Amino acid sequence: EPEVTQTPSHQVTQMGQEVILRCVPISNHLYFYWYRQILGQKVEFLVSFYNNEISEKSEIFDDQFSVERPDGSNFTLKIRSTKLEDSAMYFCASSEAGGDGYTFGSGTRLTVV
Amino acid sequence: SQQGEEDPQALSIQEGENATMNCSYKTSINNLQWYRQNSGRGLVHLILIRSNEREKHSGRLRVTLDTSKKSSSLLITASRAADTASYFCATQSSNRDDKIIFGKGTRLHILP
Repeated sequence: EPEVTQTPSHQVTQMGQEVILRCVPISNHLYFYWYRQILGQKVEFLVSFYNNEISEKSEIFDDQFSVERPDGSNFTLKIRSTKLEDSAMYFCASSEAGGDGYTFGSGTRLTVV
Repeated sequence: SQQGEEDPQALSIQEGENATMNCSYKTSINNLQWYRQNSGRGLVHLILIRSNEREKHSGRLRVTLDTSKKSSSLLITASRAADTASYFCATQSSNRDDKIIFGKGTRLHILP
């Protein structure tokens, strides 16, 4: 069964450092998403991406965040200068049709120290 | 906010019993989805029900949707230890809005 692949599974970074979280969505999917889940809290929408541009972003997705689809397979989330409160599990997802059932990756646990 | 709110927050039942989780939301929706998350792991899509559907089945899962009450329920029949997980509902508000918004989830614990 096709999977969404995320790397790394766990990243520890110093506050103020830049991190790039990587995702390989399912190949025939057109819609891509990043969500995050702070420990013990609900899953929060960050950004959706379609046709090589951001289609929607949440208030969380401020100027410190950016997304990119640098080639035909990867979809990345960059946090330019990490803060302690960015510590969370970050999930990438893709879907064939926007808003229909997503396929989520297994997540990257980001720990900012 | 259109977010789903599940209840109960936590549920413990004996293996073999049925588990029912509920979700309420605030605005009109295009569809409602249920996801499972094992502790510290990724989210697994279980089932999607569209706004014009009232009930859907998938294996031991049964989902109902009542748009007049803005609520949905997820029933897991003949529960197993492997069903222990958190369950989230998520809603899509319209077919022009491709994001989904999650509720806080129900932690389900199946007792042996």
